[in-house]
Amino acid sequence: NAGVTQTPKFQVLKTGQSMTLQCAQDMNHNSMYWYRQDPGMGLRLIYYSASEGTTDKGEVPNGYNVSRLNKREFSLRLESAAPSQTSVYFCASSEMGPNTGELFFGEGSRLTVL
Amino acid sequence: SQKIEQNSEALNIQEGKTATLTCNYTNYSPAYLQWYRQDPGRGPVFLLLIRENEKEKRKERLKVTFDTTLKQSLFHITASQPADSATYLCALGFTGGFKTIFGAGTRLFVKA
Repeated sequence: NAGVTQTPKFQVLKTGQSMTLQCAQDMNHNSMYWYRQDPGMGLRLIYYSASEGTTDKGEVPNGYNVSRLNKREFSLRLESAAPSQTSVYFCASSEMGPNTGELFFGEGSRLTVL
Repeated sequence: SQKIEQNSEALNIQEGKTATLTCNYTNYSPAYLQWYRQDPGRGPVFLLLIRENEKEKRKERLKVTFDTTLKQSLFHITASQPADSATYLCALGFTGGFKTIFGAGTRLFVKA
């Protein structure tokens, strides 16, 4: 079982370039999430999708867009990358809301914006 | 303001001892609290969840306490091993919501 798979694992962008981070889960979970992790700070929620067909903003949504393509896949797009978006991005999924269970995380996508 | 705090300094302990990590929060009313383990370069992995009406929960060598009056959770690893060396994250969860709030984590080093 692969769990949560993120691609790419590493990416370097120039300021102003765009890119999409891909995430897929094979656990038939309803809910999916995108977090970013910066040194000395906790994981911060960017966007989440409670169920297929819905998306909502998290704590730090500015500069990002998301698409819940189907139940398995949830992508994160940076339309015009900025150095402040240099971070490690984690996708996660959960069976229902996180009230009742744990978050399953991918291995992360390390993004550098020059 | 709302805060969730974990010891920013690394915790160094000797193999076989009990490691105790602290998670404090202010101006939140979580319905439950979770602990995760994160190894360098990897994603967090869930360890335990404790609800607001539970005082203590155990899983093998792990024990978590949750005091909603003190707004604090303690995470204990008994008989610690070098393989327990990692960063441990606490996270607050809320009824009806999807917005889990994470602490920055505490790095634990267990020496053989």
